[in-house]
Amino acid sequence: QQQVKQSPQSLIVQKGGISIINCAYENTAFDYFPWYQQFPGKGPALLIAIRPDVSEKKEGRFTISFNKSAKQFSLHIMDSQPGDSATYFCAASGASGGSYIPTFGRGTSLIVHP
Amino acid sequence: DTGVSQDPRHKITKRGQNVTFRCDPISEHNRLYWYRQTLGQGPEFLTYFQNEAQLEKSRLLSDRFSAERPKGSFSTLEIQRTEQGDSAMYLCASSRSGGSYEQYFGPGTRLTVT
Repeated sequence: QQQVKQSPQSLIVQKGGISIINCAYENTAFDYFPWYQQFPGKGPALLIAIRPDVSEKKEGRFTISFNKSAKQFSLHIMDSQPGDSATYFCAASGASGGSYIPTFGRGTSLIVHP
Repeated sequence: DTGVSQDPRHKITKRGQNVTFRCDPISEHNRLYWYRQTLGQGPEFLTYFQNEAQLEKSRLLSDRFSAERPKGSFSTLEIQRTEQGDSAMYLCASSRSGGSYEQYFGPGTRLTVT
């Protein structure tokens, strides 16, 4: 059973456009929602994260929007650049037994055309 | 750079052989996690350590897999009698304890079983 559902599977945007990736979770015990960026042949890199006590968090061109009642969160990339072309994973975790082990979505492959 | 390092980066082995991977976490991190990632999927949790204690193992971690962290620093992941289905990227991540959710990933070891 997939606990974190991510969409779309792939996304193509033009340079300067807005990229939007959505995730939905099921476990209400989750209380930390990170986004990771992964380039081919590299490990995932933490991009931005949010906790459910806020509805939005912005860092530079990257914004997370969080809807606790709908159990959904999304990543917005403003002014998308070709260098943003990568695979993006959402994740969710909670302090179950103190382990904080994240459950990842299946990823979104983003291509930004110049 | 004092990030998470993994060795080797790539490993090609024949079915039935044993392989061992190494992970060196960020020095002040006492939690260490192993994940497996297949093409088009997010990382899947395998096991995690707090210091030298292995505290949780996934059902994905079959009897052919074993992980150690003998001195609470680096960790090894061994796969015995490899199968073609073991072909994947094996990722290591580390984090602080005490309520920290942020995990930092290494570059991964790409395993190909022929």
